[in-house]
Amino acid sequence: DTAVSQTPKYLVTQMGNDKSIKCEQNLGHDTMYWYKQDSKKFLKIMFSYNNKELIINETVPNRFSPKSPDKAHLNLHINSLELGDSAVYFCASSQGTSGSTDTQYFGPGTRLTVL
Amino acid sequence: GNSVTQMEGPVTLSEEAFLTINCTYTATGYPSLFWYVQYPGEGLQLLLKATKADDKGSNKGFEATYRKETTSFHLEKGSVQVSDSAVYFCALNGATGFQKLVFGTGTRLLVSP
Repeated sequence: DTAVSQTPKYLVTQMGNDKSIKCEQNLGHDTMYWYKQDSKKFLKIMFSYNNKELIINETVPNRFSPKSPDKAHLNLHINSLELGDSAVYFCASSQGTSGSTDTQYFGPGTRLTVL
Repeated sequence: GNSVTQMEGPVTLSEEAFLTINCTYTATGYPSLFWYVQYPGEGLQLLLKATKADDKGSNKGFEATYRKETTSFHLEKGSVQVSDSAVYFCALNGATGFQKLVFGTGTRLLVSP
């Protein structure tokens, strides 16, 4: 059973296009996240949702719009793709929202390449 | 703000060598500390964690001790295997506010037979 799944695994597209990445977790967690990993492997949080409500937005450009139809899904839509958006995007989930001890479980990642 | 500093890689070892990957952090209060591992072409997996000072996290022969006095969480393994070749990330989750992991830059480990 896959705990946190993402689709697609690879995404190659042209500059200016709009694309979406989907994430689903079957762990029954309340909180989901999107992280971006750049070409140097550096990981940084982008968004966090708790029970479909946005709770963290780390100064990500407006072209990125997360959407959570229910607490098991958190999708990431990107408008007007730019070369600098090329990265690996990871979805994650955890049980709680605050307090530091919860473990975050990560999906396999989506490698986005913008040409 | 919170931050994590890891040693630069790559770390290149022969099989059965002793491994240390250094990690220090800056944070207010008592964050939780994590080591995640990323095998080639895969996502991140939790390797171990510690949630309070002097706790030792351990898994698959790896261990790390939460040292509040030196703000460190160094990863160690007594005898590495080729299959341990991966990128290792130290991370913290702040003690206050909403949860978000702050990662170090990652350290690539290469183990040769």
